[in-house]
Amino acid sequence: QKEVEQDPGPLSVPEGAIVSLNCTYSNSAFQYFMWYRQYSRKGPELLMYTYSSGNKEDGRFTAQVDKSSKYISLFIRDSQPSDSATYLCAMSAGYTNAGKSTFGDGTTLTVKP
Amino acid sequence: DTAVSQTPKYLVTQMGNDKSIKCEQNLGHDTMYWYKQDSKKFLKIMFSYNNKELIINETVPNRFSPKSPDKAHLNLHINSLELGDSAVYFCASSHWDRNNEQFFGPGTRLTVL
Repeated sequence: QKEVEQDPGPLSVPEGAIVSLNCTYSNSAFQYFMWYRQYSRKGPELLMYTYSSGNKEDGRFTAQVDKSSKYISLFIRDSQPSDSATYLCAMSAGYTNAGKSTFGDGTTLTVKP
Repeated sequence: DTAVSQTPKYLVTQMGNDKSIKCEQNLGHDTMYWYKQDSKKFLKIMFSYNNKELIINETVPNRFSPKSPDKAHLNLHINSLELGDSAVYFCASSHWDRNNEQFFGPGTRLTVL
């Protein structure tokens, strides 16, 4: 079983929809929870990260972490065609694991105008 | 200004050949990484270096040899290339004490024929 499992997708939504992207994990040592966005034929770029449990909001993006359920989500409000990309969740235990980030398989999102 | 750059962007070569990929970052980071992304978008860490010292070596065949001449550069040399080495290789960098915030290069698409 993989340490990080991500909803596989692909996901196709109309412009303006609310999008929910989700990951589960098995390693209790994970403390940092990241979301990366990867456009086609580009490198991943960090969207946001959360330390431990809780919510974090950045514009139209909200990241949620529930450590008791080992479940994280990224919500995108008022989705735009420019949000069409592959979204990768990633997790890290910080220094205790030499800073290694473990990635999910990615969910490809298409937002249709 | 390019933050993390890789050369070459594309690499097409025959089985059995030896090739190198170069990576440079101008962000002042002290930690650099190599990742491999397969055709299903799964991103897996291969190596990380902190201040030119190898920190992570993730069960990678010893045909792969990273070299860090200084904190701003991390190169990847691959001997005796195999078909299964075909993938996109990403370099990334971060500050050691913020290693959950990684900045990725544009990737090198390696095709082994």
